[in-house]
Amino acid sequence: QKEVEQDPGPLSVPEGAIVSLNCTYSNSAFQYFMWYRQYSRKGPELLMYTYSSGNKEDGRFTAQVDKSSKYISLFIRDSQPSDSATYLCAMSAAETSGSRLTFGEGTQLTVNP
Amino acid sequence: NAGVTQTPKFRILKIGQSMTLQCTQDMNHNYMYWYRQDPGMGLKLIYYSVGAGITDKGEVPNGYNVSRSTTEDFPLRLELAAPSQTSVYFCASSYPDRGHPEQYFGPGTRLTVT
Repeated sequence: QKEVEQDPGPLSVPEGAIVSLNCTYSNSAFQYFMWYRQYSRKGPELLMYTYSSGNKEDGRFTAQVDKSSKYISLFIRDSQPSDSATYLCAMSAAETSGSRLTFGEGTQLTVNP
Repeated sequence: NAGVTQTPKFRILKIGQSMTLQCTQDMNHNYMYWYRQDPGMGLKLIYYSVGAGITDKGEVPNGYNVSRSTTEDFPLRLELAAPSQTSVYFCASSYPDRGHPEQYFGPGTRLTVT
């Protein structure tokens, strides 16, 4: 069983839709949960991170972590064509940034005008 | 502040050839990483380094070597290239003492072995 499972997509939505991206994990030691966005032929860039359980909001983006269910989500409100990218979830078991990250396989999102 | 830079952007190798992928960061980060990304497969850690002179294997180290002589540079060496090493390679760095887990990625090197 993989440590991190992510819905592979691809996902295609109309502009303005609410998008839900999800990952599940099996390692109870994970404490830090991240979402990276990767545009085509570019390196991943950090979008959001959350420590332990709870919600975090940043503009149109909301990250949710449910440690009891080992489930994390990223919601995008009022999606825009510029949100079209691959979204990767990543998780870390240590509190310092030097710890290794375990990535999901990524979900490819297309937002159609 | 250029962040993480990688060279070359693209490379085609013949089977059995060798090459070095270069990675440099100007953020004074102690930790550096090499990943490979195959289509639909996420990111797999090849090697990482927690400081100059210290390196360790990641998930998929076979066929690769690294060195870390300075804080800024972390080159990845491919010896005897094989078609299975066709992939996109990303270098990343992070600063471990700030309590933030984020890693900063370079733009990638797209490698084809034929």
